[in-house]
Amino acid sequence: AQSVAQPEDQVNVAEGNPLTVKCTYSVSGNPYLFWYVQYPNRGLQFLLKYITGDNLVKGSYGFEAEFNKSQTSFHLKKPSALVSDSALYFCAVRDINQAGTALIFGKGTTLSVSS
Amino acid sequence: NAGVMQNPRHLVRRRGQEARLRCSPMKGHSHVYWYRQLPEEGLKFMVYLQKENIIDESGMPKERFSAEFPKEGPSILRIQQVVRGDSAAYFCASSPPGQATDTQYFGPGTRLTVL
Repeated sequence: AQSVAQPEDQVNVAEGNPLTVKCTYSVSGNPYLFWYVQYPNRGLQFLLKYITGDNLVKGSYGFEAEFNKSQTSFHLKKPSALVSDSALYFCAVRDINQAGTALIFGKGTTLSVSS
Repeated sequence: NAGVMQNPRHLVRRRGQEARLRCSPMKGHSHVYWYRQLPEEGLKFMVYLQKENIIDESGMPKERFSAEFPKEGPSILRIQQVVRGDSAAYFCASSPPGQATDTQYFGPGTRLTVL
């Protein structure tokens, strides 16, 4: 069965410092991986996705994520955090062999950036 | 280009009433997904629809819940005889036809409160 784990409920960083939000996954085939961000009382906004190719994926708002097949991880990173990055972040996976199926989401990680 | 539209944004129902949640996908998108977000949890897949067809309803509760996506008009998620446990945020997402690589774009959600 497909699953996604976000091992940290909350990540705290100071503004200007690098940030990492962790995600590991489990699928039977090759994965498609996604990161979304949710601000309070809003819907999910797409940040980036990994389909194939370069393991380092660049996305919106300066975020990037690194796909590591051997560690089955897809950690979200940003070199310099902003207070406005404070939000709830979701990692999601879809099995490459099942077109059109739903995304499986992790439970989410709350990122808090202090000034 | 308007994004995914959901209405109402907030819905209050008393136990035993019916709730109808509407979703209009992005222009050019013919695939709609419904997800439910319970407090302190990630999003859980409910149902995947294409125009006039339910493709995957493996996440739908067996009773009281139904969904449709007619040829004309928005997709509707219908909850009959609501109970307090149905209180949650319901998100709709849409994607273009057919590719597992396609990004799902989310609406702002409908927050259902059952009194």
